[in-house]
Amino acid sequence: EVQLVESGGGSVQPGGSLRLSCAASGFTFSHYGMNWVRQAPGKGLEWVSHISGSGGPIYYADFVKGRFSISRDNAKNSLYLQMNNLRDEDTAFYYCTRGTLDYWGQGTLVTVSS
Amino acid sequence: QTGLTQPPSVSRALRQTATLTCSGNHNNVGDQGASWLQQHQGHPPKVLSYRNNSRPSGISVRFSASRSGNTASLTITGLQPEDEADYYCSAWDSDLIAWLFGGGTKLTVL
Repeated sequence: EVQLVESGGGSVQPGGSLRLSCAASGFTFSHYGMNWVRQAPGKGLEWVSHISGSGGPIYYADFVKGRFSISRDNAKNSLYLQMNNLRDEDTAFYYCTRGTLDYWGQGTLVTVSS
Repeated sequence: QTGLTQPPSVSRALRQTATLTCSGNHNNVGDQGASWLQQHQGHPPKVLSYRNNSRPSGISVRFSASRSGNTASLTITGLQPEDEADYYCSAWDSDLIAWLFGGGTKLTVL
């Protein structure tokens, strides 16, 4: 059974940093690209970033370029999202998703507020 | 990045049929199709159909997806109270190099 479990969310002040993690199981992790997708409270879904199975190429949504960095450790079956210089508008649930968005985790909440 | 276009809301009576639409262009929906997600309040999205219009295991046959040109559709037959939820479409855009989502359609079952 495919499972994606996010962790690392929490509350942070504007300008701060957080690192999200996603533990994957139930499939050959290195064979799949992975994504982060976010959803602000009461709003729609918004793609954040994609990383291929081998670690490259990497793509980002315009609103996070230069602030967020996606990475993966295939030996640990884990996906990461390093978020720097966080803004109020980054407040959202962050979901880890597989490849073509065919599997989703439960999400982890990031709250950016002073 | 721009998104896909979905009607904000659709209302249908119990046991009736609802068809939700998702419009894009030749770089996204028209290229590789769209997938559909259902989201109930307070829960993560659940995949209802893949870009090739097939259903994941466990998804009711009442949910069927199709595509015509640059528009994808999700048809839900025999509407049940538990079908009341937000529905999103998504597609990969080969020009923007990004996953796009529709703004979501809130389905109300009367």
